[in-house]
Amino acid sequence: GESVGLHLPTLSVQEGDNSIINCAYSNSASDYFIWYKQESGKGPQFIIDIRSNMDKRQGQRVTVLLNKTVKHLSLQIAATQPGDSAVYFCAENASNQAGTALIFGKGTTLSVSS
Amino acid sequence: DADVTQTPRNRITKTGKRIMLECSQTKGHDRMYWYRQDPGLGLRLIYYSFDVKDINKGEISDGYSVSRQAQAKFSLSLESAIPNQTALYFCATSETGGRTYNEQFFGPGTRLTVL
Repeated sequence: GESVGLHLPTLSVQEGDNSIINCAYSNSASDYFIWYKQESGKGPQFIIDIRSNMDKRQGQRVTVLLNKTVKHLSLQIAATQPGDSAVYFCAENASNQAGTALIFGKGTTLSVSS
Repeated sequence: DADVTQTPRNRITKTGKRIMLECSQTKGHDRMYWYRQDPGLGLRLIYYSFDVKDINKGEISDGYSVSRQAQAKFSLSLESAIPNQTALYFCATSETGGRTYNEQFFGPGTRLTVL
């Protein structure tokens, strides 16, 4: 079954609002997480990552929060803009599993209206 | 990302045909991956290769094969295409021991339709 999943398949927000996209993971051995953004007709692009020794990491307008106790990951986008409209994927990796690759969740479609 | 290219970008084929999708990268990365994407299912790993002599099956390898011809090239083959292999296929690369652990860089995708 899915190791990584998202709580909501779609999220609609108004321009200027803050967006929160959630992700739950099931592998307690996972120690590295990435958020990707996929715009229509393009491949996924890296947004931000976080290692399990951290619980928060900030980038430009984006913040990733990691709660290892409940195996939950979230992506917060501040002052959401129309250009943020895309599908967002979380992905996990367990470094103690030699030879494994990233496992992706199903994705959340973010729609930003003006 | 122009550093990872995929050919063809679109392909329509018939059931039973053999199809090869090609991926090339100029990033100098050791690791390469093939994923398929279906609506509502996200990205699922088909095969991955951590160097030229290393090939590993992913979550959904049945019906597919791969070849790592060189560090920069990783091709995906469908020996006998079937309609449920209709999907968007992505190639990705990552650097061993890179600054950002296991960050993957994706190509633009190949849209494959099997009739």
